This record gives sequence, C-alpha cells and structure tokens, in this order.
Amino acid sequence: GENVEQHPSTLSVQEGDSAVIKCTYSDSASNYFPWYKQELGKGPQLIIDIRSNVGEKKDQRIAVTLNKTAKHFSLHITETQPEDSAVYFCAAIGVSGGYNKLIFGAGTRLAVHP
Amino acid sequence: DAGITQSPRHKVTETGTPVTLRCHQTENHRYMYWYRQDPGHGLRLIHYSYGVKDTDKGEVSDGYSVSRSKTEDFLLTLESATSSQTSVYFCAISDNPGSRLYGYTFGSGTRLTVV
Repeated sequence: GENVEQHPSTLSVQEGDSAVIKCTYSDSASNYFPWYKQELGKGPQLIIDIRSNVGEKKDQRIAVTLNKTAKHFSLHITETQPEDSAVYFCAAIGVSGGYNKLIFGAGTRLAVHP
Repeated sequence: DAGITQSPRHKVTETGTPVTLRCHQTENHRYMYWYRQDPGHGLRLIHYSYGVKDTDKGEVSDGYSVSRSKTEDFLLTLESATSSQTSVYFCAISDNPGSRLYGYTFGSGTRLTVV
C-alpha cells in the first residue's frame, strides 16, 4: 500500500524567511496530494492540494511542487509570519479494499519566530 | 468545522472499560473516517465507512470497532481500553464522487486518556 514519508519533523525559521517541507510517496498510481495545517487544539485543515497533471500550484504565500518521476512533493511557504506556526501534514491517495483513502505523513512542526 | 462534530471533546477512562466516541456530520457525505494522532506517527487510519452499515479496517484497527447505522453518525468503540489507546482521535468526512481527487474535512478531535 501507499506509504508517505515527511521531512523535517521540526522546522524553526525567522519571520520573513521561507520554509520548505518535503514528502515522498511510494505508490506511483497516486495522483492527488493535499497539504493540511493543524493549529493547536484543532483538527487539520486543507490549505492547498496538487493533482498529478500539474507540476506546481501557488496560492498567495504558499506553493506546492510535484515531481512524479521521483515521487516527491514539497510545500513552500514564503515570507513566513508567526501565524504560520502550526503542524503541517502532507498526504497521498492510497487504494485498498477498492476505496480511496488519504495516507498521511508524520507531520512537520513549524515554528516562526518574530 | 463545516458540519462535523465530535463528542466528547475530552475523556479520561480506566483501563479495561469500554469507550465510545461519536462523529456526527450534517453534510450528507458518504465517506467517514476515524484517525488517531500520536507524536511521530502523524494521522493513522483506524476504520472507515463508505456507506450506511458499510465499514472496513484501516492500518491500526486492532482493539477498535465501528458502526454506522445512519449517514450522519459514525461511532468508534474501544471494547476494553488500554493505555496504548491514549491518543487524540479525529473523524473526517468526504463526498468522494468516485473520482480519486478529493479532500477531507476534519472534526476538532477527541482527546482520550486511558489510566
């Protein structure tokens, strides 16, 4: 089945710097890769996603890139702000039992220091 | 959280007791999922449902059972709680139209402590 690895597990940056989180996946048939942000005491929320027919997608300060050949995708946050501090999860589609399910990476705790 | 409610939000229980967590949705989504979140492991799938009375196991299903008698409710039961089941439990819903392209909406979570 699908396996997703995420690095780094923790990331500390200064306000205004960029942050990059990387994920690899194992199932070459996966074609949907969402990113979730989890703030303290809350459930994860979808912030951006990318589909396998696209190499890059941007939404204001966040962007996601996908390299299907290498089976990895990355989240880029530019001009980081303290409110970007959270845990970020990448995910990829896994199919077993005939139904699609999201398989998540272990998460990255991002701290943005003023 | 977009029409998804988990209850209770917090629970402390003793080892060996049964525990039931509830997920309720008002979105009429077909698919519902239970995940547990533990440090270093991210979100791991326990069980999922693809319709009323249709459920299947995820990657960490041992010690858990589920039921879905109505579209809106998905129950997770720990038949005999153990300390290893201390975790934060999240429910998620999806309207998966049969495509492989979809995302989840998560509830706010239930923090369960087994002492």
